[in-house]
Amino acid sequence: AQKVTQAQTEISVVEKEDVTLDCVYETRDTTYYLFWYKQPPSGELVFLIRRNSFDEQNEISGRYSWNFQKSTSSFNFTITASQVVDSAVYFCALSEAGYKLSFGAGTTVTVRA
Amino acid sequence: GAVVSQHPSWVICKSGTSVKIECRSLDFQATTMFWYRQFPKQSLMLMATSNEGSKATYEQGVEKDKFLINHASLTLSTLTVTSAHPEDSSFYICSASLWTGGEKLFFGSGTQLSVL
Repeated sequence: AQKVTQAQTEISVVEKEDVTLDCVYETRDTTYYLFWYKQPPSGELVFLIRRNSFDEQNEISGRYSWNFQKSTSSFNFTITASQVVDSAVYFCALSEAGYKLSFGAGTTVTVRA
Repeated sequence: GAVVSQHPSWVICKSGTSVKIECRSLDFQATTMFWYRQFPKQSLMLMATSNEGSKATYEQGVEKDKFLINHASLTLSTLTVTSAHPEDSSFYICSASLWTGGEKLFFGSGTQLSVL
Protein backbone atom coordinates (compact mmCIF):
# COMPACT_ATOMS: atom_id res chain seq x y z
CA ALA A 1 0.00 0.00 0.00
CA GLN A 2 1.22 3.46 -0.85
CA LYS A 3 2.31 5.17 2.34
CA VAL A 4 2.99 8.55 0.84
CA THR A 5 0.87 10.02 -1.91
CA GLN A 6 1.84 13.03 -3.94
CA ALA A 7 -1.11 13.41 -6.23
CA GLN A 8 0.44 16.12 -8.39
CA THR A 9 2.84 14.70 -10.92
CA GLU A 10 3.85 17.98 -12.49
CA ILE A 11 3.24 21.63 -11.73
CA SER A 12 4.24 24.48 -14.01
CA VAL A 13 4.14 28.08 -12.85
CA VAL A 14 5.42 31.44 -13.90
CA GLU A 15 8.08 33.06 -11.79
CA LYS A 16 6.77 34.85 -8.69
CA GLU A 17 3.69 32.68 -8.49
CA ASP A 18 3.09 30.64 -5.37
CA VAL A 19 3.02 26.87 -5.67
CA THR A 20 1.66 24.36 -3.18
CA LEU A 21 2.69 20.72 -3.24
CA ASP A 22 0.36 18.23 -1.64
CA CYS A 23 1.45 15.26 0.43
CA VAL A 24 -0.85 12.75 2.09
CA TYR A 25 0.57 9.96 4.19
CA GLU A 26 -0.67 6.79 5.76
CA THR A 27 0.61 5.22 8.96
CA ARG A 28 -0.61 3.37 12.02
CA ASP A 29 2.27 4.53 14.17
CA THR A 30 1.81 7.35 16.63
CA THR A 31 5.44 8.33 16.34
CA TYR A 32 6.72 9.10 12.90
CA TYR A 33 8.63 11.69 10.93
CA LEU A 34 7.77 13.50 7.74
CA PHE A 35 10.26 14.99 5.33
CA TRP A 36 10.47 17.06 2.21
CA TYR A 37 13.42 16.75 -0.14
CA LYS A 38 14.33 18.63 -3.27
CA GLN A 39 16.03 16.87 -6.16
CA PRO A 40 17.41 19.30 -8.75
CA PRO A 41 18.41 18.08 -12.22
CA SER A 42 21.87 17.24 -10.93
CA GLY A 43 20.32 14.39 -8.97
CA GLU A 44 21.39 14.90 -5.40
CA LEU A 45 18.78 15.03 -2.67
CA VAL A 46 18.57 18.26 -0.73
CA PHE A 47 17.00 18.08 2.71
CA LEU A 48 14.34 20.73 3.26
CA ILE A 49 12.52 19.85 6.44
CA ARG A 50 11.82 17.15 8.99
CA ARG A 51 8.74 17.19 11.19
CA ASN A 52 7.88 14.75 13.93
CA SER A 53 4.36 13.57 14.54
CA PHE A 54 3.99 15.41 17.81
CA ASP A 55 4.79 18.79 16.37
CA GLU A 56 1.93 20.15 14.33
CA GLN A 57 3.23 23.68 14.35
CA ASN A 58 3.47 25.08 10.86
CA GLU A 59 6.87 26.26 9.79
CA ILE A 60 8.17 28.99 7.57
CA SER A 61 11.70 29.17 6.27
CA GLY A 62 12.26 32.02 3.86
CA ARG A 63 10.03 31.42 0.85
CA TYR A 64 9.19 27.90 2.01
CA SER A 65 6.38 27.00 4.34
CA TRP A 66 4.86 23.75 5.51
CA ASN A 67 1.38 22.93 6.73
CA PHE A 68 1.15 19.78 8.83
CA GLN A 69 -2.35 18.55 9.66
CA LYS A 70 -2.62 15.23 11.44
CA SER A 71 -6.40 15.28 11.17
CA THR A 72 -6.12 14.93 7.41
CA SER A 73 -2.74 13.14 7.37
CA SER A 74 -1.31 15.86 5.20
CA PHE A 75 1.99 17.66 5.09
CA ASN A 76 1.77 20.24 2.35
CA PHE A 77 4.61 22.41 1.12
CA THR A 78 4.29 25.90 -0.32
CA ILE A 79 6.88 27.87 -2.24
CA THR A 80 6.06 31.55 -2.18
CA ALA A 81 7.14 33.85 -5.00
CA SER A 82 8.69 31.00 -6.94
CA GLN A 83 11.96 31.40 -8.77
CA VAL A 84 13.50 29.53 -11.68
CA VAL A 85 15.99 27.94 -9.29
CA ASP A 86 13.08 26.26 -7.55
CA SER A 87 12.60 24.03 -10.59
CA ALA A 88 13.19 20.50 -9.36
CA VAL A 89 11.47 17.33 -8.28
CA TYR A 90 10.16 17.51 -4.75
CA PHE A 91 9.68 14.41 -2.66
CA CYS A 92 7.64 13.95 0.47
CA ALA A 93 8.75 11.06 2.66
CA LEU A 94 7.61 9.23 5.76
CA SER A 95 9.71 7.45 8.36
CA GLU A 96 7.90 5.19 10.79
CA ALA A 97 10.77 3.45 12.55
CA GLY A 98 14.50 3.11 12.21
CA TYR A 99 14.73 5.82 9.65
CA LYS A 100 13.62 3.76 6.70
CA LEU A 101 12.10 6.32 4.42
CA SER A 102 9.09 5.73 2.23
CA PHE A 103 9.09 8.28 -0.55
CA GLY A 104 6.19 9.65 -2.47
CA ALA A 105 6.29 9.57 -6.24
CA GLY A 106 7.54 13.11 -6.42
CA THR A 107 6.19 16.30 -7.95
CA THR A 108 8.09 17.97 -10.75
CA VAL A 109 7.97 21.73 -10.41
CA THR A 110 8.86 23.85 -13.40
CA VAL A 111 9.16 27.58 -12.87
CA ARG A 112 9.18 29.58 -16.07
CA ALA A 113 10.79 32.98 -16.31
CA GLY B 1 27.01 19.92 8.41
CA ALA B 2 27.57 16.21 7.99
CA VAL B 3 28.71 15.05 4.58
CA VAL B 4 28.12 11.78 2.81
CA SER B 5 30.40 11.12 -0.12
CA GLN B 6 29.31 8.70 -2.81
CA HIS B 7 31.65 7.45 -5.49
CA PRO B 8 31.65 7.15 -8.43
CA SER B 9 29.16 9.75 -9.64
CA TRP B 10 28.57 7.79 -12.80
CA VAL B 11 29.78 4.57 -14.30
CA ILE B 12 29.31 2.85 -17.62
CA CYS B 13 30.04 -0.84 -17.79
CA LYS B 14 29.56 -3.81 -20.04
CA SER B 15 26.89 -6.36 -19.38
CA GLY B 16 28.15 -9.14 -17.15
CA THR B 17 30.67 -7.10 -15.21
CA SER B 18 30.39 -6.10 -11.56
CA VAL B 19 30.34 -2.55 -10.31
CA LYS B 20 31.13 -1.31 -6.82
CA ILE B 21 29.67 1.90 -5.41
CA GLU B 22 31.07 3.42 -2.25
CA CYS B 23 29.27 5.49 0.35
CA ARG B 24 31.36 7.24 2.98
CA SER B 25 30.37 9.39 5.92
CA LEU B 26 33.16 11.94 5.93
CA ASP B 27 32.91 13.58 9.32
CA PHE B 28 30.77 11.29 11.37
CA GLN B 29 30.29 7.64 12.13
CA ALA B 30 27.25 5.97 10.71
CA THR B 31 26.16 2.69 12.17
CA THR B 32 23.33 2.53 9.68
CA MET B 33 23.34 3.38 6.02
CA PHE B 34 20.61 2.97 3.44
CA TRP B 35 20.71 2.23 -0.26
CA TYR B 36 18.05 3.52 -2.63
CA ARG B 37 17.40 3.03 -6.28
CA GLN B 38 15.70 5.52 -8.55
CA PHE B 39 14.52 4.91 -12.09
CA PRO B 40 14.14 7.90 -14.42
CA LYS B 41 11.33 10.17 -13.36
CA GLN B 42 10.35 7.85 -10.55
CA SER B 43 10.60 7.89 -6.81
CA LEU B 44 13.35 6.50 -4.66
CA MET B 45 12.88 2.93 -3.60
CA LEU B 46 14.67 1.58 -0.56
CA MET B 47 16.76 -1.43 -1.49
CA ALA B 48 18.42 -2.33 1.77
CA THR B 49 19.50 -1.20 5.19
CA SER B 50 23.19 -1.62 5.88
CA ASN B 51 24.32 -2.09 9.46
CA GLU B 52 27.96 -1.91 10.45
CA GLY B 53 29.34 -5.30 11.32
CA SER B 54 26.27 -7.28 10.38
CA LYS B 55 24.39 -8.46 7.33
CA ALA B 56 22.31 -6.01 5.41
CA THR B 57 18.54 -6.17 5.55
CA TYR B 58 17.04 -6.26 2.09
CA GLU B 59 13.62 -5.03 1.10
CA GLN B 60 11.18 -7.43 -0.45
CA GLY B 61 11.93 -8.09 -4.07
CA VAL B 62 15.57 -7.03 -3.93
CA GLU B 63 17.99 -9.82 -4.88
CA LYS B 64 20.63 -10.01 -2.18
CA ASP B 65 22.96 -12.03 -4.39
CA LYS B 66 22.65 -9.44 -7.10
CA PHE B 67 23.18 -6.40 -4.91
CA LEU B 68 25.90 -7.15 -2.41
CA ILE B 69 26.18 -4.75 0.48
CA ASN B 70 29.13 -4.54 2.82
CA HIS B 71 29.35 -2.21 5.79
CA ALA B 72 32.76 -3.05 7.12
CA SER B 73 33.40 0.15 9.04
CA LEU B 74 31.48 2.95 10.66
CA THR B 75 32.25 5.26 7.78
CA LEU B 76 31.96 3.07 4.72
CA SER B 77 29.27 1.03 3.06
CA THR B 78 29.62 -0.46 -0.40
CA LEU B 79 27.04 -1.68 -2.88
CA THR B 80 28.26 -4.09 -5.53
CA VAL B 81 26.04 -4.78 -8.49
CA THR B 82 27.14 -8.23 -9.60
CA SER B 83 26.93 -9.42 -13.19
CA ALA B 84 25.22 -6.21 -14.18
CA HIS B 85 22.65 -6.20 -16.96
CA PRO B 86 20.98 -3.32 -18.79
CA GLU B 87 17.94 -3.53 -16.52
CA ASP B 88 20.21 -2.69 -13.59
CA SER B 89 20.86 0.71 -15.14
CA SER B 90 19.56 3.20 -12.62
CA PHE B 91 20.44 5.98 -10.22
CA TYR B 92 21.64 4.64 -6.88
CA ILE B 93 21.69 6.84 -3.78
CA CYS B 94 22.99 6.08 -0.33
CA SER B 95 22.17 7.77 2.93
CA ALA B 96 23.63 7.65 6.41
CA SER B 97 21.97 8.36 9.70
CA LEU B 98 23.46 10.53 12.41
CA TRP B 99 22.11 11.09 15.87
CA THR B 100 22.33 14.79 16.63
CA GLY B 101 19.89 14.91 19.51
CA GLY B 102 17.36 14.25 16.85
CA GLU B 103 18.34 11.70 14.27
CA LYS B 104 18.98 13.01 10.81
CA LEU B 105 19.61 11.47 7.45
CA PHE B 106 22.23 12.68 5.03
CA PHE B 107 22.27 11.62 1.41
CA GLY B 108 25.11 10.99 -0.98
CA SER B 109 25.10 12.68 -4.37
CA GLY B 110 24.11 9.49 -6.14
CA THR B 111 25.65 7.21 -8.76
CA GLN B 112 24.27 6.87 -12.26
CA LEU B 113 24.91 3.36 -13.51
CA SER B 114 24.57 2.60 -17.19
CA VAL B 115 25.01 -1.00 -18.29
CA LEU B 116 25.58 -1.51 -21.99
